[in-house]
Amino acid sequence: GESVGLHLPTLSVQEGDNSIINCAYSNSASDYFIWYKQESGKGPQFIIDIRSNMDKRQGQRVTVLLNKTVKHLSLQIAATQPGDSAVYFCAENKGSSGSARQLTFGSGTQLTVLP
Amino acid sequence: KAGVTQTPRYLIKTRGQQVTLSCSPISGHRSVSWYQQTPGQGLQFLFEYFSETQRNKGNFPGRFSGRQFSNSRSEMNVSTLELGDSALYLCASSLQPGTPYTEQYFGPGTRLTVT
Repeated sequence: GESVGLHLPTLSVQEGDNSIINCAYSNSASDYFIWYKQESGKGPQFIIDIRSNMDKRQGQRVTVLLNKTVKHLSLQIAATQPGDSAVYFCAENKGSSGSARQLTFGSGTQLTVLP
Repeated sequence: KAGVTQTPRYLIKTRGQQVTLSCSPISGHRSVSWYQQTPGQGLQFLFEYFSETQRNKGNFPGRFSGRQFSNSRSEMNVSTLELGDSALYLCASSLQPGTPYTEQYFGPGTRLTVT
């Protein structure tokens, strides 16, 4: 069935390096995408979002890229820090604009920052 | 401003019992969503409430139900518990009615273990 999936379940990076976390989605009708960060023992925390009419959006140290042609979403974290170690989820909204939220989440990538 | 609070944080129940979980949204937030998180299925949407009305429902059996009170606090109930209901149950609140583009703030979750 349709699902949001992640290419890698784990990712280890050196402190200071850039991290790239990938996500594939299968529903071309999805119009909104979100990245969440979840630290151990906590609920997911919003990082950044992007609507389907955009290709790129930047935040503080994070950038989300959306490639609708291949249905691919990525999260780039610049100068990765120890505090970035967490599980990262992508989520897609399959509802049409203005409708209620219908989020589907990916399985998550565990990012580990090495000293 | 206090974040989303969920009670209890941990709960152990026996198969066949029922359980009620509580969620208090951020002050001023009127939309509350519930999610189930398990290692096997990841994060899955249960339902969303706004103004005491269920606006959206995920693909879960009727044993899962919820409600919202006039002060926006929400409860979810699971009847006739099964072992597979063991999960982290997350509540998320948002300021606007349940449209896709409003940021959700997650609580820390209630860890339910069914034995």
